[in-house]
Amino acid sequence: SQQGEEDPQALSIQEGENATMNCSYKTSINNLQWYRQNSGRGLVHLILIRSNEREKHSGRLRVTLDTSKKSSSLLITASRAADTASYFCATGENTGTASKLTFGTGTRLQVTL
Amino acid sequence: DAGVIQSPRHEVTEMGQEVTLRCKPISGHDYLFWYRQTMMRGLELLIYFNNNVPIDDSGMPEDRFSAKMPNASFSTLKIQPSEPRDSAVYFCASSLVAGGYGELFFGEGSRLTVL
Repeated sequence: SQQGEEDPQALSIQEGENATMNCSYKTSINNLQWYRQNSGRGLVHLILIRSNEREKHSGRLRVTLDTSKKSSSLLITASRAADTASYFCATGENTGTASKLTFGTGTRLQVTL
Repeated sequence: DAGVIQSPRHEVTEMGQEVTLRCKPISGHDYLFWYRQTMMRGLELLIYFNNNVPIDDSGMPEDRFSAKMPNASFSTLKIQPSEPRDSAVYFCASSLVAGGYGELFFGEGSRLTVL
């Protein structure tokens, strides 16, 4: 089952604009991660934010986490055509004796010149 | 490091045939994960191993699916017999820590088409 629901499902912007993607989840988490997937490729880790953190930056990426609302956002500033990809949030959670990373539905980002 | 290596990258087979997907994790990673990606269901965790031992196989869809990890550098996911609804991209990933705590490193995936 999927933990995260992402919004929007698809986003189209022009190069230089900012892109914001949102993720909502249902259960308590250890951390929340964001991954990128280029068409036909595997997923690549972008950033991890722990449950006791509220904001994290990495280059042009800014991630926020609101555990009270069970939501996160990923902001990509000054987007480039190379940012065109699908972006997934993933929640790290414990279930009994297992520890899993559960992925959301993804946002398809298209950056045009 | 070469990253996580999966083979084959593409597999086309007929219904009823056996399919074996292979994965070589990153050296030193104690955790190995098998995910399946489809348009309808997204990314689903099928099974994961810690130190070659299966920890959680609750995501394995049915008995037709089996996974093994005979040693730290090799894992297989087998489907026997295959069905058209098994068509998907199967990803292997590895990690230094348990899946709920850290970054996963993914392979490029094996795209399976069952006719």
